[in-house]
Order: sequence, then structure tokens, then C-alpha cells
Amino acid sequence: NAGVTQTPKFQVLKTGQSMTLQCAQDMNHEYMSWYRQDPGMGLRLIHYSVGAGITDQGEVPNGYNVSRSTTEDFPLRLLSAAPSQTSVYFCASSYSGGGLGNTIYFGEGSWLTVV
Amino acid sequence: QQPVQSPQAVILREGEDAVINCSSSKALYSVHWYRQKHGEAPVFLMILLKGGEQKGHEKISASFNEKKQQSSLYLTASQLSYSGTYFCGTESTKIFGNEKLTFGTGTRLTIIP
Repeated sequence: NAGVTQTPKFQVLKTGQSMTLQCAQDMNHEYMSWYRQDPGMGLRLIHYSVGAGITDQGEVPNGYNVSRSTTEDFPLRLLSAAPSQTSVYFCASSYSGGGLGNTIYFGEGSWLTVV
Repeated sequence: QQPVQSPQAVILREGEDAVINCSSSKALYSVHWYRQKHGEAPVFLMILLKGGEQKGHEKISASFNEKKQQSSLYLTASQLSYSGTYFCGTESTKIFGNEKLTFGTGTRLTIIP
């Protein structure tokens, strides 16, 4: 059981380039989300999805796009990379049902540097 | 608005106890606790719900004061493996799923032999 798989693990982009961070989970979780982690800022929610075809914005959505065509996949697109998007990105998934079942499973992270 | 964690950092000797606090300005439905080791993903520790239900690791305990919108994580007889950064995440409403979880800025715990 792979859990939450993110690719790539490391990426260097030039300002203005676009790219997609891939995320897949094999736990049949309805809920998936993307966080970014910056020093001293903790984890901040970028976008999330409560099921295939349904997405919504989190705390810091500007400059990012998402779509959810299947339960398993939730890619994050950087439209025009900026140095401020240099960060560690975590994809996460969780079981739908509320309450004690809401354990979040995180992917291993993607280290992105924009130069 | 992010919950506030305290202390920001703490250093313990192996075997000592630690308490990490998490406070919110909003009424809370649930509090989650995660631990992250350097260069790794956060890992689930505890979840506490309004009303008293909780689920988590055997060797880690936590409390949730609904009136004060505060939670505390208790690490007793600390081991070297407890080192890492601890995050609390809070939910203000009872919803299915935790898409609105807001994380604190973390508490860095260092255990020395």
C-alpha cells in the first residue's frame, strides 16, 4: 500500500515557467489537499478537494491551479512560477466521514526552488 | 487565523517530560496533533473532538479545553525518537472531512541523551 505519492521530489524552475506537481493516493480517500510549508509559517492550505470534480481554495491559492478528475489524483499546477513560490509542498488525503476518522495522510513532500 | 503554539522550541534530556500548548481565538470543533521530523512528512499523533472523544498513540496523551479553545500535548518520559517539530491543527466547524484544518507554526522539540 503506497499511501500518498508525490512527484517530483525536487525541482528547480526559472521565474515564469509553469509546472505540475503530481499527487496520487491509493486509499480511496475522498478528501485531498495541497499545503505549502515555509520556515516559521507552518503548513498553509493552498487548495483542497472533497471529491472528484469538486475543488475549492484554501488560505493561499494565488498562483496555483488544481483539478480533480479522479478520486486517486490531485495535481497542483504552478501557472507562472515566482521566487515567492519557493517552498516545500505536501499533498495530503483523508477519509470522508468526519470526527475521529479525519486522520490526514501526507505525501513525502516536493522541494521546489524558483530562481 | 492560525492557532498559536507554545513554546516555539524546547530542549529536553531523555526521560524528561514536556507539554506543548495550542491556542485558538475561535471556538473549536477538533484539534489534531502531528509530528514532523526534518526532511520528512508530518505524521499523525492525536485527534481530539469537542465532547471528549479522542484517538491517538498509546504513549502520547493530550487534552482539549473547549471553553478556552486550547489543547495541550503531553510527552512523558521522552525518548530520542520524540525529537521533531510538533504541529497542532484546528477545525472550527463540524464538517465531513478536514479540508478547513488550520495548522499552527510548530514547536521544535529536541531530545538529548
